[in-house]
Amino acid sequence: EIVLTQSPGTLSLSPGERATLSCRASQSVSSSYLAWYQQKAGQAPRLLIYDASSRATGIPDRFSGSGSGTDFTLTISRLEPEDFAVYYCQQYGSSPWTFGQGTKVEIK
Amino acid sequence: EVQLVESGGDLVQPGRSLRLSCAASGFTFDHYAMHWVRQAPGKGLEWVSGITGNSGKIGYADFVMGRFTISRDNAKTSLYLQMNSLRAEDTALYFCAKVAGTGYFDLWGRGTLVTVSS
Repeated sequence: EIVLTQSPGTLSLSPGERATLSCRASQSVSSSYLAWYQQKAGQAPRLLIYDASSRATGIPDRFSGSGSGTDFTLTISRLEPEDFAVYYCQQYGSSPWTFGQGTKVEIK
Repeated sequence: EVQLVESGGDLVQPGRSLRLSCAASGFTFDHYAMHWVRQAPGKGLEWVSGITGNSGKIGYADFVMGRFTISRDNAKTSLYLQMNSLRAEDTALYFCAKVAGTGYFDLWGRGTLVTVSS
């Protein structure tokens, strides 16, 4: 099983600042099959990034993903008020599919 | 409208059974693999099970240990999760999710709550 470790656990930032979220895998993620999801309280997760760096339909270009192998990053270039939420990475390259434990981006 | 709607969650006693359903609409259901993901109160996301469009390939998380069975009825555009021998640690919000492209989850339902308690 591939274990995904996200850091930091909590990121305290102000609107307009840049957010950098990390996701590290215990072994190489096949074909960079890694996704990022955003979840707000009481809502279902929403797909942001797939295949490590491709933005999902309707996702603003301030969200970007990068990385390969075991190290992946989600960057939010300038935080908007609606971006404060919990973010999860997920690998779907090998079964069982696994998620990271999440990074909470909170308002400073 | 493209959507997934889960149902069937309830408060049940340990050791009992429950069947969750996920009704899909707005897309060609049998073309896509589907999965169940759960989230315990205040915790992160945890993959439970997945099934291909023709039910030819099925996978489960280790913690299921033969207690859960995933299935689908393409004629009814519905996904199911039969859960037996439920435990307190199965208490969670259960989401169904649609697979797209290379295997990521592009559409999620709002979830159905399962509470296992005596």
